[in-house]
Amino acid sequence: DSGVTQTPKHLITATGQRVTLRCSPRSGDLSVYWYQQSLDQGLQFLIHYYNGEERAKGNILERFSAQQFPDLHSELNLSSLELGDSALYFCASSVAGEGRNTGELFFGEGSRLTVL
Amino acid sequence: KNEVEQSPQNLTAQEGEFITINCSYSVGISALHWLQQHPGGGIVSLFMLSSGKKKHGRLIATINIQEKHSSLHITASHPRDSAVYICAVRLRSNYQLIWGAGTKLIIKP
Repeated sequence: DSGVTQTPKHLITATGQRVTLRCSPRSGDLSVYWYQQSLDQGLQFLIHYYNGEERAKGNILERFSAQQFPDLHSELNLSSLELGDSALYFCASSVAGEGRNTGELFFGEGSRLTVL
Repeated sequence: KNEVEQSPQNLTAQEGEFITINCSYSVGISALHWLQQHPGGGIVSLFMLSSGKKKHGRLIATINIQEKHSSLHITASHPRDSAVYICAVRLRSNYQLIWGAGTKLIIKP
């Protein structure tokens, strides 16, 4: 158990819909990273939050948004869903993100999104 | 050219063989991570290295900062080692991660 909790584990929805994926980082970890992994593809970095603030954006579509709340949990919102958005969405956390090495990464088990 | 290159892309070996997976990078880094992704999808952090060598059970990771190269070794490989092994480097400039494409390892009994 990595200590990172992601919900839901599985989600099936239709095109055009909107979903919210949730991530609770390990206790004490201030950084949260979101990744997308499509079938048989590598991890694609979406966005990084540190202590409530956005720190870096990767290949995140405009239809997607995220935030990190004061209690440090994070949500990834995916809207106007398309078939191609079907993927595993991973959240990872680490201790820090500012001015020093961030330490080991801890991944959640992922949320598998299927868009029909 | 990708900033992080892993080789080989795919590797099939017999149980018991010594396995080496390589990772080369072209950027200044503060640390390098090795991770393992099992067929079920879960990702586990194996090592975080900034210099030298680390060992955990049958797994050994080394890094040569001057040559910008790291290797992950598996001794006495076992079918349960079958997974995708991913190298990621943390940039010294802004602490962001850059990911390798992964090496798919299959160990046959």
